Amino acid sequence: GQQVQQSPASLVLQEGENAELQCNFSTSLNSMQWFYQRPGGSLVSLFYNPSGTKQSGRLTSTTVIKERRSSLHISSSQTTDSGTYLCAMEPNYAQGLTFGLGTRVSVFP
Amino acid sequence: ETAVFQTPNYHVTQVGNEVSFNCKQTLGHDTMYWYKQDSKKLLKIMFSYNNKQLIVNETVPRRFSPQSSDKAHLNLRIKSVEPEDSAVYLCASSPRDWGGQDTQYFGPGTRLLVL
Repeated sequence: GQQVQQSPASLVLQEGENAELQCNFSTSLNSMQWFYQRPGGSLVSLFYNPSGTKQSGRLTSTTVIKERRSSLHISSSQTTDSGTYLCAMEPNYAQGLTFGLGTRVSVFP
Repeated sequence: ETAVFQTPNYHVTQVGNEVSFNCKQTLGHDTMYWYKQDSKKLLKIMFSYNNKQLIVNETVPRRFSPQSSDKAHLNLRIKSVEPEDSAVYLCASSPRDWGGQDTQYFGPGTRLLVL
């Protein structure tokens, strides 16, 4: 089964609304990252966050290792936040990242 | 700011041909990777490589092989392409030295279409 489950699969927001994206792991993790991918674009690393809470501007990532989950909070969403958000984890050292299917976010004015 | 470069951006070929994709990173990283993103947009690791060790995902067909001239370059060769190889291939690098934990940085990808 899928080792990384993301929810929701898609999300529609009005500009200014907040959003919470979830990522659940079926195995213990060595590391994890959140990425942003524009349609047809490359992956942009948002956070490397194997544990705890990190913030960057309007984005906050919280990873709880014991519960095998991570969340990405978007506050005061903007139309430029539209795109796909991917979480990825590395189950064991040096095996490479295992990705979820992503959450597609659409923000309308 | 792009620091992981991939060429070509796009490649169309026919079944049975050999193709090679290039990847270069200017970050001074020790480890490089190749991922495949299929039509359902799921990204899967193919190879993980540094100058000490190659780790291959067991699901990767043998017609795929990584090729490295130095730690800044990791190319991907497909010996005889199949229709199911149509996908976007993404290269990444990280500063990891075996034993570390750190961020992976991705290139823009090479889109392959096999006719």
